[in-house]
Order: sequence, then structure tokens, then C-alpha cells
Amino acid sequence: EIVLTQSPGTLSLSPGERATLSCRASQSVSSSYLAWYQQKPGQAPRLLIYGASSRATGIPDRFSGSGSGTDFTLTISRLEPEDFAVYYCQQYGSSPPQITFGQGTRLEIK
Amino acid sequence: QVQLVQSGSELKKPGASVKVSCKASGYTFTSYAMNWVRQAPGQGLEWMGWINTNTGNPTYAQGFTGRFVFSLDTSVSTAYLQISSLKAEDTAVYYCARDRQWLARVPRSAFDIWGQGTMVTVSS
Repeated sequence: EIVLTQSPGTLSLSPGERATLSCRASQSVSSSYLAWYQQKPGQAPRLLIYGASSRATGIPDRFSGSGSGTDFTLTISRLEPEDFAVYYCQQYGSSPPQITFGQGTRLEIK
Repeated sequence: QVQLVQSGSELKKPGASVKVSCKASGYTFTSYAMNWVRQAPGQGLEWMGWINTNTGNPTYAQGFTGRFVFSLDTSVSTAYLQISSLKAEDTAVYYCARDRQWLARVPRSAFDIWGQGTMVTVSS
């Protein structure tokens, strides 16, 4: 099973600042089968990024994903008030199929 | 619009069973597989498995075999999760989530549409 470790656990920033969230895999994630989700309290997760760097439908361009192999990054260029939430990375490239999530990064207002 | 609507919260006693439904609308149900994800209170997301809505073939993640069953009723575009012999540790929000890949044969895709979640509480 591929274990995903997200860092930091909590990130405290102000609106307008840049956020950089990390996701490290215990082994290489094939074909960049890596996604990012945003979850707000009491809501279902929302897909932000798939294939490591492709934005999902309707996602603002301040969200970007990068990385390959074992190291991936989600960047939010300029934080808006609605961006404060928990972010999860997910890998879906292992064989046999065993989809796993990171433990999450909480992005909070400083 | 494309959406998944899940059944309401459940309160069950240990040893009982529960069946959660997930009704799809706005797209061809049998063209996209359905995933199930568990989130225990205050915890992260855990993939439970996937059901191919075209063939009805389920795939269960490690730790979700035996008491967990995925099923379909394609006539009403609905997926089901049944959990038997409920334990206190099954207390969680259960989400259905659509596979992003059209006609996927294996679970190898992100999840683009999510249900609102169903809270299952197991308590005596």
C-alpha cells in the first residue's frame, strides 16, 4: 500500500498570501495518478486537481498542482477567505488497485 | 445537473445492519463507476472500494471485506452500501463518489462528484 504523508499538519496564513502544501508518497506514484481535494466543515470533499497538475472543472486558476514520482505540491497563489479548509491528497495509481489518501493539511486563518 | 444524493442519517445498535443509498442524476449511471469513502469523526478519508456500475463487479479495499457489500439498482440509478454486524467503530460519515473516468475497468481515477454523506452512528 502506498502511504501518503502530508505536511505541514496545519498551516496558518493570511488572506492574500501564498500557500504551499506538500504530499510525499512512500513509493513512486505511477503516471502521476495524484489528486487533491478540499473539504470544508460539514461538507463533502471537492476535487481540485487530478493527474498531479490538471485542474478540475470550475476550479479557479489560483489553485495549481505539481510534482511527480514521490513528491507532489498543491499551491494556492493568493488565498481567498473561502480557501481556508482541510486539503487531502490521494493516489490512485497503485497495482493492484488500492486508493489511499493523505492524512490532510488544515489551512487556517492566521 | 450532475449530482449524487444519499439517504439520511442512521442510528443503529451494535450487531444490526444498515443500508445506505446513493442516487445519481444528470448523467448515464452505468458509464461511471462508484466509489465508497469512509470518514470517522474528526478523521481523514478512507477508500472502502468501488463498484463497476456497468458490470456490477465490486472491488473491496483492504479492511472492508466480509461485512461490507456494494450493490446497484441500475433501474433507478442507485448504488448501495450495506454494512452488517455493526460495531461502534463503524460510526462514521459514508460518502459515495463518482469515478472521474468514463467506463473505467479498474479503480484508477480521481473522484469528481461526491454525495453529501450519510452519518451512521452505532451505539447501544
